[in-house]
Amino acid sequence: EAGVAQSPRYKIIEKRQSVAFWCNPISGHATLYWYQQILGQGPKLLIQFQNNGVVDDSQLPKDRFSAERLKGVDSTLKIQPAKLEDSAVYLCASSVGIKNTEAFFGQGTRLTVV
Amino acid sequence: GQNIDQPTEMTATEGAIVQINCTYQTSGFNGLFWYQQHAGEAPTFLSYNVLDGLEEKGRFSSFLSRSKGYSYLLLKELQMKDSASYLCAGGRTYNFNKFYFGSGTKLNVKP
Repeated sequence: EAGVAQSPRYKIIEKRQSVAFWCNPISGHATLYWYQQILGQGPKLLIQFQNNGVVDDSQLPKDRFSAERLKGVDSTLKIQPAKLEDSAVYLCASSVGIKNTEAFFGQGTRLTVV
Repeated sequence: GQNIDQPTEMTATEGAIVQINCTYQTSGFNGLFWYQQHAGEAPTFLSYNVLDGLEEKGRFSSFLSRSKGYSYLLLKELQMKDSASYLCAGGRTYNFNKFYFGSGTKLNVKP
């Protein structure tokens, strides 16, 4: 079974530039998550989708971050404009969405803002 | 609240047993999940507890006490490949599964 696919794996941009990350969840998984993981910290939830609807985006910095999952399958996360403190690994995860089932993570995109 | 606390780092010897503790504020979570994350890789699921008590899965076991807001992950017969960060995550899984992660415990296994 294919896992969660993310691209690109690495990205280096200058501050104030824009960047987009792509995620394709495990087939059939209704729930999709975007997490930000800063070095030495645990993953922090940015946004959670159930099918193509947003369930939770309370920790998404909406002035610069946006995400969409238009057809309820793959998703993109965009940062515009990027700041130095956005340097982190951006992890996409998916789950079946049934109660008490785990989330499966992609390899992540390591973003460096210089 | 969702404060989840874990020790930052631990060191143990190959072949030994190690216990990684996790404490959390009791309100809001109905499950406790453990993930393993090797450096530069994605977190991978290890186990979860919904009810109080011990869940055993091979060399890994996880314990939960909901009234005390306390969980631990027990790793037996440590191997060098167990060197990784171990993430404790509180789950709100009443309807949409939400996971809130602690900062992780970096485990160093030495020969």
